[in-house]
Amino acid sequence: DAGVTQSPTHLIKTRGQQVTLRCSPKSGHDTVSWYQQALGQGPQFIFQYYEEEERQRGNFPDRFSGHQFPNYSSELNVNALLLGDSALYLCASSRLRASTGELFFGEGSRLTVL
Amino acid sequence: DAKTTQPPSMDCAEGRAANLPCNHSTISGNEYVYWYRQIHSQGPQYIIHGLKNNETNEMASLIITEDRKSSTLILPHATLRDTAVYYCIVRGNYGGATNKLIFGTGTLLAVQP
Repeated sequence: DAGVTQSPTHLIKTRGQQVTLRCSPKSGHDTVSWYQQALGQGPQFIFQYYEEEERQRGNFPDRFSGHQFPNYSSELNVNALLLGDSALYLCASSRLRASTGELFFGEGSRLTVL
Repeated sequence: DAKTTQPPSMDCAEGRAANLPCNHSTISGNEYVYWYRQIHSQGPQYIIHGLKNNETNEMASLIITEDRKSSTLILPHATLRDTAVYYCIVRGNYGGATNKLIFGTGTLLAVQP
């Protein structure tokens, strides 16, 4: 059973460009969340998707947007990249009705903005 | 969700028990204590969670004080592979609908040979 998979694993962009990161949730999971982790910091919640809609959002600007597809996979889009967007982007999946609320994380996509 | 306080780093000898403390003095009655860990260059991994009773699973034990203002994660026989950042997180257990996690900076546990 594959866990949470993310692509690409590493990428380099320049300021002002746009990036799309992808996530496939663990089998049986219907909820996807995205987190940003800057170097030396804990992950910060960006937003959560369920039933193809954004359900919760953290303190991130509108440059950060997402999408969830009917097969529960998800994309994170970041427009007008800034140097400060350089980070590890983590996707986490879960089941809405899970009793434990446990999140399963992928290995992340490391974005470097030059 | 309540704020947590953890020491920034700890050392532990291989084969000994690692006891990682966490303070959560503002925890409310319906909030759970969760522990995750993050090994270098990997995504966070769920370890254990509890409400008020002590909990044990194949990875660790969680001891929550009677007043629930603090807890301790215990790795009974630490190995080098347990070297990681350990995050203590407090949140309401609403299932997946509102299950965002608020991470602090965690405790870097270094297991020494």
